[in-house]
Amino acid sequence: EDQVTQSPEALRLQEGESSSLNCSYTVSGLRGLFWYRQDPGKGPEFLFTLYSAGEEKEKERLKATLTKKESFLHITAPKPEDSATYLCAVQANDYKLSFGAGTTVTVRA
Amino acid sequence: DAEITQSPRHKITETGRQVTLACHQTWNHNNMFWYRQDLGHGLRLIHYSYGVQDTNKGEVSDGYSVSRSNTEDLPLTLESAASSQTSVYFCASSESGGSEAFFGQGTRLTVV
Repeated sequence: EDQVTQSPEALRLQEGESSSLNCSYTVSGLRGLFWYRQDPGKGPEFLFTLYSAGEEKEKERLKATLTKKESFLHITAPKPEDSATYLCAVQANDYKLSFGAGTTVTVRA
Repeated sequence: DAEITQSPRHKITETGRQVTLACHQTWNHNNMFWYRQDLGHGLRLIHYSYGVQDTNKGEVSDGYSVSRSNTEDLPLTLESAASSQTSVYFCASSESGGSEAFFGQGTRLTVV
């Protein structure tokens, strides 16, 4: 069974204080690893897809990296608008997405 | 712009009633999914479909059913609502193959 574990559960940052979120996974046949952002009361919003170990993707203050067993989402110099829950998901060969429980990030001004 | 919409956004129903949640996408995606989201559990897959007339059970399918009569819609039916089915439900769609899934805004269902 595919498993995705995210840590920490919650992260409180001061504006400008960089940090990283972890997503460790076990999956039979990884087709892709996905990062989503979710704001309260809304559906998950797609951020990145990573397909192979060593791959990196960047978008504004966010950078996602992938190894064979885990992925990191680095937040550089965060702003209050980066406050959200960040979800990690793995896609196996059957195209289903298995999600972690998420990391809730709060950035204080 | 293409989108995926869910209705209703909020629903309160009584135990034992049949409830149907609607999901409509204009992306023309073959793959559609229903998830539920609960505190401490994250998003869990209920049912999914790879195309018209195709439906499959996910990890938490008991008490739920879906049907796929066209590409755009995947309604989720709770046959006899139970309090344990109080949750936020999300519909998603994706192209065939390993592409990202796009999510609706969710339906908050309360079973009393």
